[in-house]
Amino acid sequence: GAGVSQSPSNKVTEKGKDVELRCDPISGHTALYWYRQSLGQGLEFLIYFQGNSAPDKSGLPSDRFSAERTGGSVSTLTIQRTQQEDSAVYLCASSLALRQGAGYTFGSGTRLTVV
Amino acid sequence: DQQVKQNSPSLSVQEGRISILNCDYTNSMFDYFLWYKKYPAEGPTFLISISSIKDKNEDGRFTVFLNKSAKHLSLHIVPSQPGDSAVYFCAANNDMRFGAGTRLTVKP
Repeated sequence: GAGVSQSPSNKVTEKGKDVELRCDPISGHTALYWYRQSLGQGLEFLIYFQGNSAPDKSGLPSDRFSAERTGGSVSTLTIQRTQQEDSAVYLCASSLALRQGAGYTFGSGTRLTVV
Repeated sequence: DQQVKQNSPSLSVQEGRISILNCDYTNSMFDYFLWYKKYPAEGPTFLISISSIKDKNEDGRFTVFLNKSAKHLSLHIVPSQPGDSAVYFCAANNDMRFGAGTRLTVKP
């Protein structure tokens, strides 16, 4: 598509439930990133995929968080046994390559609320 | 370990004046530095970048300056407009981590 698409745009879930967040990157973009922004906070890096290389998971806050990227395109971020502190806007971005001056293209995010 | 830092959480300027947003970094191996702008309820959008081999890049009202000896970059917006009110993030493209952001408010 023309941009990075994320779904759902909003998600309210009960504490302890699992959630899946989806990201459709721009076609042809080999790099895909997940970030989250908690209320009043900056952008927190979560995970990065580049082509067929092993993902950089160094930003995942706990083992309840995992992500997959199937076929080098769509990515799913899964949060198991959600906690209230997981409430945030989860942002996905894609780019042609990591070492590039044109930056990433971000989606509009998924606002997750854990009640 | 935060390699890109924005130490000013907020900035308020009058319309028509200059806005200066600052960013410091620790890794001298970064190739590109980028600025993003974020409005509420939207994803960040790429604004302007600068290569580490340059010290200035200008695009309309936006200019980014890079001081490699000080490991410091700044974004200048002149003249500032109310529509520039947003959160601005700096980043280095060799590192996926962003600064904490600076909330700019331009008052009419």
